[in-house]
Amino acid sequence: TQLLEQSPQFLSIQEGENLTVYCNSSSVFSSLQWYRQEPGEGPVLLVTVVTGGEVKKLKRLTFQFGDARKDSSLHITAAQPGDTGLYLCAGGDGGSNTGKLIFGQGTTLQVKP
Amino acid sequence: DSGVTQTPKHLITATGQRVTLRCSPRSGDLSVYWYQQSLDQGLQFLIQYYNGEERAKGNILERFSAQQFPDLHSELNLSSLELGDSALYFCASSGGQGAVYGYTFGSGTRLTVV
Repeated sequence: TQLLEQSPQFLSIQEGENLTVYCNSSSVFSSLQWYRQEPGEGPVLLVTVVTGGEVKKLKRLTFQFGDARKDSSLHITAAQPGDTGLYLCAGGDGGSNTGKLIFGQGTTLQVKP
Repeated sequence: DSGVTQTPKHLITATGQRVTLRCSPRSGDLSVYWYQQSLDQGLQFLIQYYNGEERAKGNILERFSAQQFPDLHSELNLSSLELGDSALYFCASSGGQGAVYGYTFGSGTRLTVV
């Protein structure tokens, strides 16, 4: 069974601080996606990485896929209150060719003004 | 509006009852995925349909069933409901390979079993 473990589970920081969220597995994934979810809403896709070692930037967010495609990280620079939310990583089950995603448990981020 | 429509948004029902959750995918998307989200389990994959056919099955209970209709909307049927079935149920859709291009999620149905 493929599992994705996220750390930390909860993070409370002040506005302007930097942070990194990790997503780890013992399994290889065909792709890795990051989503952000706000209360009462469904997750919204932030980025997809598919190549080992790939780095993508989205404004103040930097996403990296591990060389072995087993792990990923999300780094936020100068966090703002608007970054508050639940961050989910999701791995593509490439072996099944179904498009199914396996989600991590999520990291709840609170950015205080 | 993400383009994926889920109804109803909230549902309160008694144990032992049966409910139907409905999902209309984003226009053009052929794949529909159902997930259950609870506080202790996170987002758990239930089932996927592609163009009317079941494509993948996850941890879906025998009391639960789903289908996708010719117009591509999907329904998730939950029967003999138990207190532990209380959760958020999300539908998502994708065009091509969801694992590559990502999912578009609906706003979910919050099910409360009392």
